[in-house]
Amino acid sequence: SAVISQKPSRDICQRGTSLTIQCQVDSQVTMMFWYRQQPGQSLTLIATANQGSEATYESGFVIDKFPISRPNLTFSTLTVSNMSPEDSSIYLCSVEGTSGSYNEQFFGPGTRLTVL
Amino acid sequence: TQLLEQSPQFLSIQEGENLTVYCNSSSVFSSLQWYRQEPGEGPVLLVTVVTGGEVKKLKRLTFQFGDARKDSSLHITAAQPGDTGLYLCAGEGWGKLQFGAGTQVVVTP
Repeated sequence: SAVISQKPSRDICQRGTSLTIQCQVDSQVTMMFWYRQQPGQSLTLIATANQGSEATYESGFVIDKFPISRPNLTFSTLTVSNMSPEDSSIYLCSVEGTSGSYNEQFFGPGTRLTVL
Repeated sequence: TQLLEQSPQFLSIQEGENLTVYCNSSSVFSSLQWYRQEPGEGPVLLVTVVTGGEVKKLKRLTFQFGDARKDSSLHITAAQPGDTGLYLCAGEGWGKLQFGAGTQVVVTP
């Protein structure tokens, strides 16, 4: 399985500011995923990021609010823009496993964001 | 509406007891995964079940995939405090991994 790190691990931000979250993988992967996990809730997919193409966003998430970069096969960033308290969540990146078609995913430790 | 319904939402048991968590859907899945998430960490993949009726064991954890591939269960025998965590089932649907709402399990010494 891939080893995934995220920075920062947590942050407290002011309303109206933006935060960029980094995700680093120890091996080259085609697809990377960004999820949001609100307090006490399950995971909601924000977008899928493939290297060399625009990220694909899920319903309810837009590029202006959550711009994503994928400059190479081991790295991605998610920016949470113009933050409000409703953006307080854990943000997780993940990558697909190597077992083939089973769509297993391996997750980073998450970034815990609190917006005041 | 969750594609995958998990029950119960919360389970608190004493060390040494057994527990079962359920994951149900009206949809058929080609595979289903179980993850465990501990506080401050991302979900960790425990197992993938693929074949209808399949049973997989991981030490004290037993995973079963329903014959129709619409439901799954996770059974923990003689639970230990280290089993505490959020258990999530997930299945591939509409081109992405769909997660259930999770079952929070607390095992007290």
